[in-house]
Formats: sequence, structure tokens, C-alpha cells
Amino acid sequence: EAGVTQFPSHSVIEKGQTVTLRCDPISGHDNLYWYRRVMGKEIKFLLHFVKESKQDESGMPNNRFLAERTGGTYSTLKVQPAELEDSGVYFCASSQGTARQWETQYFGPGTRLLVL
Amino acid sequence: AQSVTQLDSQVPVFEEAPVELRCNYSSSVSVYLFWYVQYPNQGLQLLLKYLSGSTLVESINGFEAEFNKSQTSFHLRKPSVHISDTAEYFCAVRRYNFNKFYFGSGTKLNVKP
Repeated sequence: EAGVTQFPSHSVIEKGQTVTLRCDPISGHDNLYWYRRVMGKEIKFLLHFVKESKQDESGMPNNRFLAERTGGTYSTLKVQPAELEDSGVYFCASSQGTARQWETQYFGPGTRLLVL
Repeated sequence: AQSVTQLDSQVPVFEEAPVELRCNYSSSVSVYLFWYVQYPNQGLQLLLKYLSGSTLVESINGFEAEFNKSQTSFHLRKPSVHISDTAEYFCAVRRYNFNKFYFGSGTKLNVKP
């Protein structure tokens, strides 16, 4: 079974440009999460989808970030316009959605974003 | 609010030596506790978790962690490390009834021959 995949693995852009990150969760997983790790600090929660609906977006830093999950399958996270402080590693995770609160979240390898 | 502290950013250790990676958390409510590991160029993988019951939990590759409620700690230990254990380890908590994780800043374990 394929795990969580993320594309691209690396992205280098200039300040002011737009970048779109993609996450493909494990097939059949209703829950999809985005996290971000900045400058070797802690990994921070950004938002949580249940199917195509945003369940919790309390971690989104500002309105330059837009996340979508059309059809409840893959998700995209767009940063527009990108700022220097957006640099970091963006992780995606998915879980089955069986309403068990302790169920495992499976993480992707992350997208390393560098804004110059 | 929840927070997780991993005091050691890097832990160098020789092969076959014991190791302890420290994790302390603060929370005003009950939480679930987790350790994730990230090997080079891979995603985070669940190492072990504490949900309830026995305070000592073990992983399949010899790691163990003990939940200490009075000290709000969940330290990760292994009695004898291997080169292949070289990775970054993340401690995390989740509140009951919430899905999102709160992670620590990670500890890089570097096992030397």
C-alpha cells in the first residue's frame, strides 16, 4: 500500500512568488492534516480536513495560505505571495477517520520550501 | 494550551551504548503521548504511543518510553543503540477529543561506530 506522498520534494522560489504544494493521502483516509516545521523548530499544526471539509484551520498563519481538498482526495496548499518566513518543511499526514481519537496519523516525507 | 519540550537538540552516542531522549509536556487536560522518528529523506513514522493502562510502552525495535504523570514526562530510552537508529526523534501530544498534534522541536540522535 502506498504511503502519503507529497510533491514537490523541494521548492526554491523568490519572495512574492506563488507556490503550490500537493499531498496525496493514503487511499481511503478521510482525515488529512497539514503541518509545518520552520527553521528546525517544532512541527506545528496548520489545518485538518475531514473529506473535503475543513475541520480545524486554527493553525493557518495568515490569509496568504490557502488549502483545498477537492473531492476529498488529494489536497493542495498554496502560498501566495510567499514571504521569507514561509521557508520550512511542510508535512502532510492522513488517518483513516474511524472516530478513534488515538488512531495513527501517517506522515509524508515533506516538502522543503525555501523562499529567497 | 499544550506544549512539548525536548531539551536536547542533538544527542551523540556510541554504538551499543544506552540512550535517553527527554520529553516533557505541559497540559491542563489529559493527553495521549507519542514518539515519532524521521529517518533521513523519509516521513515521520510512529515509534510508540501511550494511550492508557501500563505507563511503560515499547516499540518493536527495542525502544521504550515511560509515562510519568507527576513529572509530566515521556522520556524515550533504548538500552543499546545501533547505527541504524541514527535519526531525528519527535515527541508529541494530542488532547483527548482533538485530532491535532503538538510536537516538540526534535532530538537528533547520532550513533557513532
